[in-house]
Amino acid sequence: SQQGEEDPQALSIQEGENATMNCSYKTSINNLQWYRQNSGRGLVHLILIRSNEREKHSGRLRVTLDTSKKSSSLLITASRAADTASYFCATDANDYKLSFGAGTTVTVRA
Amino acid sequence: DTGVSQDPRHKITKRGQNVTFRCDPISEHNRLYWYRQTLGQGPEFLTYFQNEAQLEKSRLLSDRFSAERPKGSFSTLEIQRTEQGDSAMYLCASSLEGGWRFFGPGTRLTVL
Repeated sequence: SQQGEEDPQALSIQEGENATMNCSYKTSINNLQWYRQNSGRGLVHLILIRSNEREKHSGRLRVTLDTSKKSSSLLITASRAADTASYFCATDANDYKLSFGAGTTVTVRA
Repeated sequence: DTGVSQDPRHKITKRGQNVTFRCDPISEHNRLYWYRQTLGQGPEFLTYFQNEAQLEKSRLLSDRFSAERPKGSFSTLEIQRTEQGDSAMYLCASSLEGGWRFFGPGTRLTVL
């Protein structure tokens, strides 16, 4: 079973706009991670936020975590065509078993 | 290329046949994971190794599935008597203890 749920399932934006996607999960976590997957390829790790952190930045990415609401958000600013991909949140509850959501498919239009 | 590699990238087989996939992790990583991903879904955990020891297996891993990691280096995932429901992308990842996962490109299995 999948722990996280991403929302929305799909997102289409114009190049230069920001993209925001949300992740909700069910159980306590050690950390939450976001991954990107280009069509038919493996996953690439984007950012990890620990349970005692509230916000983290990496380049054009901003992640927030609200453990009281069991939710996280990923913001991609100034989107580019190369950001077109599926984005997955994954929760790490026991140090070895990442549980992924079903993902948000982002399409950036030129 | 010093990333995680998987072989083959694509495998088409007939129902009932056995298949074996190989994963070569990043050399200094002591942890290795197998995931399965079906279309439109996120990866689902199958099993993981710490060095050569298989420490956890998901209930998704039926007795037709077996994974090994001899000598704590590469790993193989074998599926016996394949079924159409086994069609999926099989992803391998590796990490250091406590580190984030580096994923390979996956092996896409199609069972006819």
